[in-house]
Amino acid sequence: ETGVTQSPTHLIKTRGQQVTLRCSSQSGHNTVSWYQQALGQGPQFIFQYYREEENGRGNFPPRFSGLQFPNYSSELNVNALELDDSALYLCASSRTTGGGETQYFGPGTRLLVL
Amino acid sequence: DAKTTQPPSMDCAEGRAANLPCNHSTISGNEYVYWYRQIHSQGPQYIIHGLKNNETNEMASLIITEDRKSSTLILPHATLRDTAVYYCIVRETSGSRLTFGEGTQLTVNP
Repeated sequence: ETGVTQSPTHLIKTRGQQVTLRCSSQSGHNTVSWYQQALGQGPQFIFQYYREEENGRGNFPPRFSGLQFPNYSSELNVNALELDDSALYLCASSRTTGGGETQYFGPGTRLLVL
Repeated sequence: DAKTTQPPSMDCAEGRAANLPCNHSTISGNEYVYWYRQIHSQGPQYIIHGLKNNETNEMASLIITEDRKSSTLILPHATLRDTAVYYCIVRETSGSRLTFGEGTQLTVNP
């Protein structure tokens, strides 16, 4: 158990809809990173939030957006869902102190887009 | 692109040591080697990381060659619950992201 929680655990949406996924970071952690993992592949970095601002972004379109709140929890929003957005979405929390911080993952949210 | 190369699969007998290799020939001086594992459909679990010295914790040992171009993760007494995909990741000290490759599917057999 890492202390990182995600909700919901599973979600079914239809193409074109919007979805919001939530993540609560481990106590004492101030940074949240989001990853997308398609079936049979390794996780792909979406973006990271530190001090409520985006701190690095992977190769994902602008319809993937996020927020971090003062309590360090975070949301991932995906607009105009596409079939290829079906994946396991993972969040990881860490404590940024200047470099090399270990990221601890939550259990993920499995999204199915029909 | 991932900066590491791992065998796609390995088998190990229960109770024996599992030695998982990783090549990272382009590693830079400020980059750490991290190991995570992922049991089917769960979030990746942190195992261990190191810069240039060998490291050991309650889960595993990490052996890094002197030139830092390769490393080996050692699970000293593998159990059935160690069956998972193991990812070796090279990461900058100040980097925000983990770049996962395809990993090694370790199967521990009874």
